[in-house]
Amino acid sequence: DQQVKQNSPSLSVQEGRISILNCDYTNSMFDYFLWYKKYPAEGPTFLISISSIKDKNEDGRFTVFLNKSAKHLSLHIVPSQPGDSAVYFCAASRYTNAGKSTFGDGTTLTVKP
Amino acid sequence: NAGVTQTPKFRVLKTGQSMTLLCAQDMNHEYMYWYRQDPGMGLRLIHYSVGEGTTAKGEVPDGYNVSRLKKQNFLLGLESAAPSQTSVYFCASRGQLNTEAFFGQGTRLTVV
Repeated sequence: DQQVKQNSPSLSVQEGRISILNCDYTNSMFDYFLWYKKYPAEGPTFLISISSIKDKNEDGRFTVFLNKSAKHLSLHIVPSQPGDSAVYFCAASRYTNAGKSTFGDGTTLTVKP
Repeated sequence: NAGVTQTPKFRVLKTGQSMTLLCAQDMNHEYMYWYRQDPGMGLRLIHYSVGEGTTAKGEVPDGYNVSRLKKQNFLLGLESAAPSQTSVYFCASRGQLNTEAFFGQGTRLTVV
């Protein structure tokens, strides 16, 4: 039973438009959520995170929204740039549990010039 | 700043052979992790460590062993490689005051 799901394997958007990546989770014990970005042949790199005590966190062009009642979070990228083309992983963890994260399967974002 | 370094980057093994993957971090992080990533899937936790001399099982530990004799190093061993262990392996580390993990560049392992 997959605890973290990213139901869209891929997403294509035009440069300058908004990209919205979605993530659902089933385990109500998760209290910390992270987004990682991964380019081919590289390791994932941290992008942005949100604690369960918040419903929004913003960092430049990136905003993460958390809806605890729906067990859903989303990553908004505005405006999207070609350099944002990568695989985006949603991850969830229990803050006190050694930081072990459960990852979704990823969404491949393609931003077209 | 090297961050997290994995050795080797690529390896081809025959079924039944053994090997050790090395992960080294220079950030004095307490926590270290080994993940595997299969095509079209997310990262799955194999083993992790919360400090020097300690290890624990993750989601998919079978067929792997680990050791953390020094704080900066986390070794992943395959005693008898199987084709099902063909994957990309990522090591990560995290400090106690950090919320995010820092990943190495990955090791692509093929077992034939």
